[in-house]
Amino acid sequence: ETGVTQTPRHLVMGMTNKKSLKCEQHLGHNAMYWYKQSAKKPLELMFVYSLEERVENNSVPSRFSPECPNSSHLFLHLHTLQPEDSALYLCASSPREGGELFFGEGSRLTVL
Amino acid sequence: SQQGEEDPQALSIQEGENATMNCSYKTSINNLQWYRQNSGRGLVHLILIRSNEREKHSGRLRVTLDTSKKSSSLLITASRAADTASYFCATAGGTSYGKLTFGQGTILTVHP
Repeated sequence: ETGVTQTPRHLVMGMTNKKSLKCEQHLGHNAMYWYKQSAKKPLELMFVYSLEERVENNSVPSRFSPECPNSSHLFLHLHTLQPEDSALYLCASSPREGGELFFGEGSRLTVL
Repeated sequence: SQQGEEDPQALSIQEGENATMNCSYKTSINNLQWYRQNSGRGLVHLILIRSNEREKHSGRLRVTLDTSKKSSSLLITASRAADTASYFCATAGGTSYGKLTFGQGTILTVHP
């Protein structure tokens, strides 16, 4: 148990659906991240939020839309996804710049 | 090419043996971190070594860092079947907000 909770753990959606992934941390961390993990590829950083402000958007397609309403919650809104977006989406938080990341268990997304 | 490349890609050993994994990177770093991931789960932080450190220990883990060769190694001593997992190195460079760049990982299998 790392203190970072992701829901849902598994999600299957069609290409026309709209869904959201949720991440919650109660570690008092100031930064939160979304990573994408696809088979046979390194983890890809998607978004970084620091003190609820988005500080990095790593050339992610607009069909992925992050939201950080407060320092404890992070969402990833999904719309009109493609089958190649199927992956494990990992949320993480960190207490300080360059420090260790605390990951959630991930949300396994399958796009049909 | 990516920062943080692990070698070997896969390692299979018997319980009780030592496991050594290597990581190479290309640009200057502030620190290098090792993470572990059980199949389909989130990543768990193992150890962080700063650029001015050469060696660090944590339980059965020993990490070395050679900044002149831009490489690091993770040694797991007296391995156990429960150590079976993927191991990733990640580098933190000069960018802000703790952006980590991950390698593709080493899959370690420890046979009982």
